[in-house]
Amino acid sequence: GQNIDQPTEMTATEGAIVQINCTYQTSGFNGLFWYQQHAGEAPTFLSYNVLDGLEEKGRFSSFLSRSKGYSYLLLKELQMKDSASYLCAVARGGAGSYQLTFGKGTKLSVIP
Amino acid sequence: KAGVTQTPRYLIKTRGQQVTLSCSPISGHRSVSWYQQTPGQGLQFLFEYFSETQRNKGNFPGRFSGRQFSNSRSEMNVSTLELGDSALYLCASSVDRNNEKLFFGSGTQLSVL
Repeated sequence: GQNIDQPTEMTATEGAIVQINCTYQTSGFNGLFWYQQHAGEAPTFLSYNVLDGLEEKGRFSSFLSRSKGYSYLLLKELQMKDSASYLCAVARGGAGSYQLTFGKGTKLSVIP
Repeated sequence: KAGVTQTPRYLIKTRGQQVTLSCSPISGHRSVSWYQQTPGQGLQFLFEYFSETQRNKGNFPGRFSGRQFSNSRSEMNVSTLELGDSALYLCASSVDRNNEKLFFGSGTQLSVL
């Protein structure tokens, strides 16, 4: 089976930096995704890591350590619109047997 | 290019009834996955369809079923509804390449009374 853990809630100040951690245990690891979900809306893709290291995309960066079963999403220069849930998702299997398992999500509140 | 479309957006049913939800994937996407989202459990995988065949299945009872049509549109059905089935049901589509991202619809909010 799979076990994915991330904090339930976090609060940060506008303009600051926040790091959302995700730890996982799985077999057949084939990449880790981060999705953003605003209340009442569909989850949208943020980032993907399959190799160890940091992937940067504008204000958002994602890090992966496969040996530690650990990832984090880093959000810089926080804006009020970044208030949302952030979902960590672990992929396993290949094309034809691909399965994505989500963590329960971290609700981020950005305050002025 | 139109996104993933789910209908209806909201649905209210009573215990014991059955319900059918619909999902139209992005044009050209052949894989459709269904997820149940609740505040306590987060997003849980129901099943995935490709070329009208169920390829993967999550740990849900047999009351939850689905199908996919030749145009890749998919439906999921829940029979003998229980109060605990109240949730947001999300559909996601993809082209079906290894390690690709999913595109989600806005979901169907099901309330069972």
